[in-house]
Amino acid sequence: GQSLEQPSEVTAVEGAIVQINCTYQTSGFYGLSWYQQHDGGAPTFLSYNALDGLEETGRFSSFLSRSDSYGYLLLQELQMKDSASYFCAVKRDDKIIFGKGTRLHILP
Amino acid sequence: EAGVTQFPSHSVIEKGQTVTLRCDPISGHDNLYWYRRVMGKEIKFLLHFVKESKQDESGMPNNRFLAERTGGTYSTLKVQPAELEDSGVYFCASSPNKYEQYFGPGTRLTVT
Repeated sequence: GQSLEQPSEVTAVEGAIVQINCTYQTSGFYGLSWYQQHDGGAPTFLSYNALDGLEETGRFSSFLSRSDSYGYLLLQELQMKDSASYFCAVKRDDKIIFGKGTRLHILP
Repeated sequence: EAGVTQFPSHSVIEKGQTVTLRCDPISGHDNLYWYRRVMGKEIKFLLHFVKESKQDESGMPNNRFLAERTGGTYSTLKVQPAELEDSGVYFCASSPNKYEQYFGPGTRLTVT
């Protein structure tokens, strides 16, 4: 089977940095992805890590440690528009298994 | 470039009725996926097409759900007969490479 664990909610201040963690248990792991979803919107692809290490894309970075079955999404210089739900997802065979999502609240 | 589109955006039907959802993937994407998110729960995989073939339909809840992808282009997901627990948001996604998926806006289905 497979499961992903991530915090249900995180609160941070505008302009700050926040890290959203994700641990997973899955067989046949091929990579860890992150998606952003605003209320009422569709999930939007943010990043994908197939190998250990840090991937940086602008204000967002994603990290993976396969030996620890752990990854995180790092958001820097938080903006109010970053308020959304963030999902980690593992690629297993040809399907993607999503976590339950972390709701990010940003305070002015 | 046009993104993934889905129709309708909302559908309200009565228990026992039939509903057909449509997804038009990004042109050139061979991979097409259907997902469902029931309120308060995670996004769950339903099935995966590669062109017109079903690659994996292990997430389909039961035989009331039928997905097709005519000619490897658009896809339809039919629910017949609909039950109350089928309510949720149905997302379609397409991908050129199986790990970077582009989602459509979803169809919000309400079964009353």
